[in-house]
Amino acid sequence: DAGITQSPRYKITETGRQVTLMCHQTWSHSYMFWYRQDLGHGLRLIYYSAAADITDKGEVPDGYVVSRSKTENFPLTLESATRSQTSVYFCASRGTSGPETQYFGPGTRLLVL
Amino acid sequence: AQKVTQAQTEISVVEKEDVTLDCVYETRDTTYYLFWYKQPPSGELVFLIRRNSFDEQNEISGRYSWNFQKSTSSFNFTITASQVVDSAVYFCALSAIDSGGGADGLTFGKGTHLIIQP
Repeated sequence: DAGITQSPRYKITETGRQVTLMCHQTWSHSYMFWYRQDLGHGLRLIYYSAAADITDKGEVPDGYVVSRSKTENFPLTLESATRSQTSVYFCASRGTSGPETQYFGPGTRLLVL
Repeated sequence: AQKVTQAQTEISVVEKEDVTLDCVYETRDTTYYLFWYKQPPSGELVFLIRRNSFDEQNEISGRYSWNFQKSTSSFNFTITASQVVDSAVYFCALSAIDSGGGADGLTFGKGTHLIIQP
């Protein structure tokens, strides 16, 4: 029972580079979410997706791009990484049957130099 | 806009003491969900409880209990007889309810760092 996985778990990159963070879930959940966690801010929603090919912005979407070609995958791309995007990124998913809870992946720790 | 406030940035207690973590929220929605998540030092986020705005019953699960009061927009979390393993960051979160009855994107508080000293 793999659940929800994220890769890589740790990433160091340089300013201006493109970085893609992967999220994969085995529950066939329709909804998937990306959050970032920063000291003093808690977790903030970046993007979410209600189904394949349906995505929408959250609270802090600037500088990020998402896609959802398959239900099980929800990659997050930083097109040109900036130091302010140094953070811990969490992916989450939930089903569509009533009051489903969001379950989180283990997180990706990203450092932008 | 939704907002969740966890005024206690850090709490330190001695093992076996009871401790309450406060959560106050703001929303214009008449129906919503409230959650508590635990983040231990290992970093993962562990779901603890979900409560919908229709249900103001308090809940107890072992040493954990939750007090939801709609009148004061609060959803407080109490740990009875705390243990060192309870040391973690605890997040309160709020979501709207979408047309399918599911939880929308979560709005988190900034978290309370709970330290249980042996």
